[in-house]
Amino acid sequence: QSALTQPASVSGSPGQSITISCTGTNSDIGSYNFVSWYQQRPGKVPKVMIYEVSKRPSGVSNRFSGSKSGNTASLTISGLQAEDEADYFCCSYAVRNTVVFGGGTKLTVL
Amino acid sequence: QVQLQESGPGLVKPSQTLSLTCTVSGGSISSGDFYWGWIRQPPGKGLEWIGYIYNNGRTFYNPSLESRLTISSDTSTNQFSLNLSSVTAADTAVYYCARWYAYYVDYFDYWGQGTLVTVSS
Repeated sequence: QSALTQPASVSGSPGQSITISCTGTNSDIGSYNFVSWYQQRPGKVPKVMIYEVSKRPSGVSNRFSGSKSGNTASLTISGLQAEDEADYFCCSYAVRNTVVFGGGTKLTVL
Repeated sequence: QVQLQESGPGLVKPSQTLSLTCTVSGGSISSGDFYWGWIRQPPGKGLEWIGYIYNNGRTFYNPSLESRLTISSDTSTNQFSLNLSSVTAADTAVYYCARWYAYYVDYFDYWGQGTLVTVSS
């Protein structure tokens, strides 16, 4: 079971849009529509922002959206705000009822 | 509102067993479409899924940890536990317990605050 692959860092200016990719395999992202994304601010607990590839939990801004194509999932944040600066982790359900996380992406708002 | 709270030693010696307990309130670990799991995060690094247990006691583990890992539950106290044997410095991390909302939803919806476990002599 290998970690999902994410870019180490991305950055954008306020108001811009950014996209974070998350690449897996046919054993996880490619076979299941159970990709979730978590935001983790420094010293805080991860918070789910997207589940089932593109669904938002109640209370999460509609500036956050998710998608998937083949073995790659993506998180897009539009209208970037300073408060979006955080680490973002993707996560996928995988074969044999296991779970795999991505290595994490540090988002910097310039 | 479901709440989870980790407890256990913050310091473990190398080669010993790391033992943590997660106490759940606001919901029963013996019902519903939920798995009760453990995730860890080494300082400055990413999240790693450790494993989880279903309400029927069935467990699923990260293959890389399986040989050293036991997750169990106690429905009478509404707690579940983690035991990781033969620890090394590489097992130093913040350990989180969390609820996996399963069955066609599949994500971690509630997390504990996390507890730092340091492996050192």
